[in-house]
Amino acid sequence: DAKTTQPPSMDCAEGRAANLPCNHSTISGNEYVYWYRQIHSQGPQYIIHGLKNNETNEMASLIITEDRKSSTLILPHATLRDTAVYYCIARGYGNKLVFGAGTILRVKS
Amino acid sequence: GAVVSQHPSRVICKSGTSVKIECRSLDFQATTMFWYRQFPKQSLMLMATSNEGSKATYEQGVEKDKFLINHASLTLSTLTVTSAHPEDSSFYICSASPFRLDPYTGELFFGEGSRLTVL
Repeated sequence: DAKTTQPPSMDCAEGRAANLPCNHSTISGNEYVYWYRQIHSQGPQYIIHGLKNNETNEMASLIITEDRKSSTLILPHATLRDTAVYYCIARGYGNKLVFGAGTILRVKS
Repeated sequence: GAVVSQHPSRVICKSGTSVKIECRSLDFQATTMFWYRQFPKQSLMLMATSNEGSKATYEQGVEKDKFLINHASLTLSTLTVTSAHPEDSSFYICSASPFRLDPYTGELFFGEGSRLTVL
């Protein structure tokens, strides 16, 4: 699977949108982009995934660039409970979910 | 979303003993479950893939005789840490995908994790 690169940490003001970038410049055509988050001492939580088109659900939006080399996870109105480590993962068919270092998002009041 | 439950959530044991951790899919069937380990301030590391009715597949560097995995039913996988030592102390997390979906492309649901402390 393609390697992903994320900033180690980000801060966001409560109530504002949190935009978390992810670079996956070597992604191949059959690899999906997945986002998970892990709140301290809990199991990871699925957020969203996509292949080419932008996706939105009740938690977040996923914006994938046209060349698919990068993506952005958007939490539209961040709350203190969104403070967590966010993982961006590129995963192809038949492959396992492999976690990188992720981005520590700190939402501050 | 689907629910995956782990038990126990915390366990403390003496060095040399064995510890069993259960992973259950509560509202779906899972032919494939995955076991991860996470050390403090580190990311999750995939240990093995648990397949219902067959042997588990271990990642490189993970001792299969040390970490015994049994996936006897479509809703239960167990991880047994045999002859545990302090260096086995870690956060163990399982995940599973619903039966009807391809386990490698659908979303995975994770358990709450089990924190093992070996004295």
